[in-house]
Amino acid sequence: AQSVTQLDSQVPVFEEAPVELRCNYSSSVSVYLFWYVQYPNQGLQLLLKYLSGSTLVKGINGFEAEFNKSQTSFHLRKPSVHISDTAEYFCAVSDIQGAQKLVFGQGTRLTINP
Amino acid sequence: SAVISQKPSRDICQRGTSLTIQCQVDSQVTMMFWYRQQPGQSLTLIATANQGSEATYESGFVIDKFPISRPNLTFSTLTVSNMSPEDSSIYLCSAQGGQGGLDTQYFGPGTRLTVL
Repeated sequence: AQSVTQLDSQVPVFEEAPVELRCNYSSSVSVYLFWYVQYPNQGLQLLLKYLSGSTLVKGINGFEAEFNKSQTSFHLRKPSVHISDTAEYFCAVSDIQGAQKLVFGQGTRLTINP
Repeated sequence: SAVISQKPSRDICQRGTSLTIQCQVDSQVTMMFWYRQQPGQSLTLIATANQGSEATYESGFVIDKFPISRPNLTFSTLTVSNMSPEDSSIYLCSAQGGQGGLDTQYFGPGTRLTVL
């Protein structure tokens, strides 16, 4: 079974500052890794994913994440945030076999202050 | 990626009643899932909707409370039965396979349910 830990429940950042949202996972099998974003009163939108290959993956809206197998981490970064990035961010994993069910972290609320 | 719609987008229901939520995908997909997001919390998988057969439920969720149908490769329904205030949540469906690829789930906008 897999589990996901998002180390920060809330992250306040000033506009145009860099941000890192941390995600660690636990799994006994190989996994796929995802970051989703949920804007207020909306569903989930895929930001980026790691399936294989290069450990640095780039997503939409200027976000990127780096897969670190030895540290079992998949931290999300953006060099300069905007007010519109205010949202809830979820890290998720699925195993690469079987039903590929998603296991989500608890979420990190990113608040951008002017 | 697949485009997913849900109906209704929100509803307010009375205790003891049932609500059926519809999920429509714009293309054929291999797998469909239903999740619950309780207020201020993360997503929890309720079940995998299997086309033409009974859904596969996760621990803590039962068919009598959350019957699910999936008559074809683009449509599924989730019913929340005999509702109580504890069922107030956002219910989201997701789809995997088809145009979106076999490895990624795409989500609908969710149904916000309030039970009084």
